Amino acid sequence: DTGVSQNPRHKITKRGQNVTFRCDPISEHNRLYWYRQTLGQGPEFLTYFQNEAQLEKSRLLSDRFSAERPKGSFSTLEIQRTEQGDSAMYLCASSSDRYYEQYFGPGTRLTVT
Amino acid sequence: QKEVEQNSGPLSVPEGAIASLNCTYSDRGSQSFFWYRQYSGKSPELIMSIYSNGDKEDGRFTAQLNKASQYVSLLIRDSQPSDSATYLCAGGPYNNNDMRFGAGTRLTVKP
Repeated sequence: DTGVSQNPRHKITKRGQNVTFRCDPISEHNRLYWYRQTLGQGPEFLTYFQNEAQLEKSRLLSDRFSAERPKGSFSTLEIQRTEQGDSAMYLCASSSDRYYEQYFGPGTRLTVT
Repeated sequence: QKEVEQNSGPLSVPEGAIASLNCTYSDRGSQSFFWYRQYSGKSPELIMSIYSNGDKEDGRFTAQLNKASQYVSLLIRDSQPSDSATYLCAGGPYNNNDMRFGAGTRLTVKP
């Protein structure tokens, strides 16, 4: 079963450092989404790709955040100059063109010290 | 007003009872609704999707959608302790196909 995978699963970094996360979607899914989730809240939408095109970015995605999906397969999310407020679970999900059901990966838990 | 709202709970039911989880949404243009289950420290797991008015049943789970009232619910019959989790309601699409999530309702099923 090749579900959505994310790496790393955990990341601890010092404030001011840059971090990069990777997401590999379900192979036949063209759509890929990034969300951020903090304790006691539902996932908050960050950005969305259809194939390699980034079609939407939330206003939550400050200039320090950038996401890519260069060949329409895996995606990376980079956070520059991390802040303590960036500590959260970063979730990736994918879906097909035909159905809206999104399937989540295991997430990357980021802790900024 | 948030796009999708849920009662934060917590909700506690005895084993074998019916658990009822509710969700409202603000955008009448929303077409698709989903229920996810999330265990502590884990990522959300899709358990139900519903697109049309009425009920949709899958095993012990029944999703209900009422577009006129902008209301979605999830019923869990014969609740088991393993159903104890946070249940997230999601709706969409918004803008370019993204979903909006509620804050989740924490359910505890007591043996």
